Amino acid sequence: GAGVSQSPSNKVTEKGKDVELRCDPISGHTALYWYRQSLGQGLEFLIYFQGNSAPDKSGLPSDRFSAERTGGSVSTLTIQRTQQEDSAVYLCASSYGTGDETQYFGPGTRLLVL
Amino acid sequence: DQQVKQNSPSLSVQEGRISILNCDYTNSMFDYFLWYKKYPAEGPTFLISISSIKDKNEDGRFTVFLNKSAKHLSLHIVPSQPGDSAVYFCAASKSGRDDKIIFGKGTRLHILP
Repeated sequence: GAGVSQSPSNKVTEKGKDVELRCDPISGHTALYWYRQSLGQGLEFLIYFQGNSAPDKSGLPSDRFSAERTGGSVSTLTIQRTQQEDSAVYLCASSYGTGDETQYFGPGTRLLVL
Repeated sequence: DQQVKQNSPSLSVQEGRISILNCDYTNSMFDYFLWYKKYPAEGPTFLISISSIKDKNEDGRFTVFLNKSAKHLSLHIVPSQPGDSAVYFCAASKSGRDDKIIFGKGTRLHILP
């Protein structure tokens, strides 16, 4: 079956512009996560959606970052007024959300802010 | 403060030998541990996990050992194969519905011919 997909795969933008990153989770997965991997760093948790519950936004680095999950499926991560330090690979993952912590990752979106 | 630490950024191992990747954690509330493998330009893929009620879990060539008193876990790959060259992330979480997983920075494993 289809895995987690993300688009675009690469995005180059100018400092100060807004960007939107999209994630399509595996069908039937109720939990969805966004992570960021900067150069030389581990995976940094950003935000977590579980079903209809309020998302866990505790990892969002600033109020320029926001995410939505429409209809419990597709999610969009939006970064407003991008800064150079936002350059990273943004990874989306999904899981069944039943307590099975195995997460399935998408290929990531590589964001470069010039 | 890093709660999950992988102190070796890279490791080189001869093909056919054992690869041992180490991971330390600081939060004693963690009770579920995972290893992920990542190839360049791809997302991480789940490799193997272990719950704190066990001290060893084996899956084919991969074995994870957990030492709770030392807050240390390790991943053993034997025998190492060229396709094992990748970045390996150690991760930890607390059980229950808190699915937020904390990852280490990763260790890049090179399998030498």
